[in-house]
Amino acid sequence: DAKTTQPPSMDCAEGRAANLPCNHSTISGNEYVYWYRQIHSQGPQYIIHGLKNNETNEMASLIITEDRKSSTLILPHATLRDTAVYYCIVRVATGNTPLVFGKGTRLSVIA
Amino acid sequence: DAGVIQSPRHEVTEMGQEVTLRCKPISGHDYLFWYRQTMMRGLELLIYFNNNVPIDDSGMPEDRFSAKMPNASFSTLKIQPSEPRDSAVYFCASRPGRYSLAKKKGTDTQYFGPGTRLTVL
Repeated sequence: DAKTTQPPSMDCAEGRAANLPCNHSTISGNEYVYWYRQIHSQGPQYIIHGLKNNETNEMASLIITEDRKSSTLILPHATLRDTAVYYCIVRVATGNTPLVFGKGTRLSVIA
Repeated sequence: DAGVIQSPRHEVTEMGQEVTLRCKPISGHDYLFWYRQTMMRGLELLIYFNNNVPIDDSGMPEDRFSAKMPNASFSTLKIQPSEPRDSAVYFCASRPGRYSLAKKKGTDTQYFGPGTRLTVL
């Protein structure tokens, strides 16, 4: 699985959009970008995933650059409850190996 | 569905004692994973099962750790004897199989339990 690079921490004002970047310059053609988050004292939670097209669901939007070497997770209207560690993971969708979690980005949403 | 269930939620024990952590995966999921999380090492995979069979236990720290999955609805992680450095939060997660109906969500979507916070004194 390709490696990812994320900033260790970010702040965001409540109500504003939170844009979390992820670099994955060694991504291969059959690898997806997955995002999980972990709120304090809870297990990680799936957010969204994509291959090359932008994706949106009820939680977030995922923007993947045309060359697929980087992506951005967007929380359109961040709330205090979005304060968490966000993990960007790259891997084959049907891979039989487990997810590997890096250090992620600690997002702090500030009132 | 109640999600992945873990018990106990908190466990405090003394060094040398046996500890057993329990997990009930989501019904119908073919994969089960045990993770450990500490401040120093982050989230680490210990072992995972596919259809109740252990597939990869290379993350198990040493022989003091063992895991079983006697049936599709139950798994245990045992530490015997426990040591203070085993103190961590232990998560269990499950995932649908490759050809499940959850394909539209991505077969790599793992569902995590609330974790067991283990403290070994």
